[in-house]
Amino acid sequence: KQEVTQIPAALSVPEGENLVLNCSFTDSAIYNLQWFRQDPGKGLTSLLLIQSSQREQTSGRLNASLDKSSGRSTLYIAASQPGDSATYLCAVTGNTGKLIFGQGTTLQVKP
Amino acid sequence: DVKVTQSSRYLVKRTGEKVFLECVQDMDHENMFWYRQDPGLGLRLIYFSYDVKMKEKGDIPEGYSVSREKKERFSLILESASTNQTSMYLCASSLVTSGSIHEQYFGPGTRLTVT
Repeated sequence: KQEVTQIPAALSVPEGENLVLNCSFTDSAIYNLQWFRQDPGKGLTSLLLIQSSQREQTSGRLNASLDKSSGRSTLYIAASQPGDSATYLCAVTGNTGKLIFGQGTTLQVKP
Repeated sequence: DVKVTQSSRYLVKRTGEKVFLECVQDMDHENMFWYRQDPGLGLRLIYFSYDVKMKEKGDIPEGYSVSREKKERFSLILESASTNQTSMYLCASSLVTSGSIHEQYFGPGTRLTVT
């Protein structure tokens, strides 16, 4: 059974720092991996999607990498800003099309 | 842009009431999903649908049913609401082409409180 783990559960950094969020999964047979952002009380916003054949994806200050063989993904946020404060979720898609989510990392960027 | 809308942002119902949560997507996606999100438990899949009139149970279907009469609309039904169904409910949709599974897009969520 696929399990997705995110470390750390919470992170607090000063504004301007570069940071890395980690995601690991137990079954490497995935179709893709998605990183989402969730603000308190709101829905999920898709940030980046990495197909299983890809190694990384970039969008602005965000870069996500995928190493299927080791079951790991990282989300790199450059030059963090207070507006980046949110919960970040990673999720993998198996062959059924269902997403399996991690528990999330709650990020606080202090001005 | 893909848009997934949910009928209500906040809903308060009484125990035993029948509750309908509606979800509509505007991008002709085949797949639609209903999740609930609870502190400490994360997101859990309730039901999903690959096509009109088709439904599959997710991880926690007990106490719920679904309806998909049209491709763009996926309804979650609580037959007799109970207090343990107080939660944030999230709908999502995704496209499937040539065997590839595309990213899921989420609605804004419905915060349901059952008293």
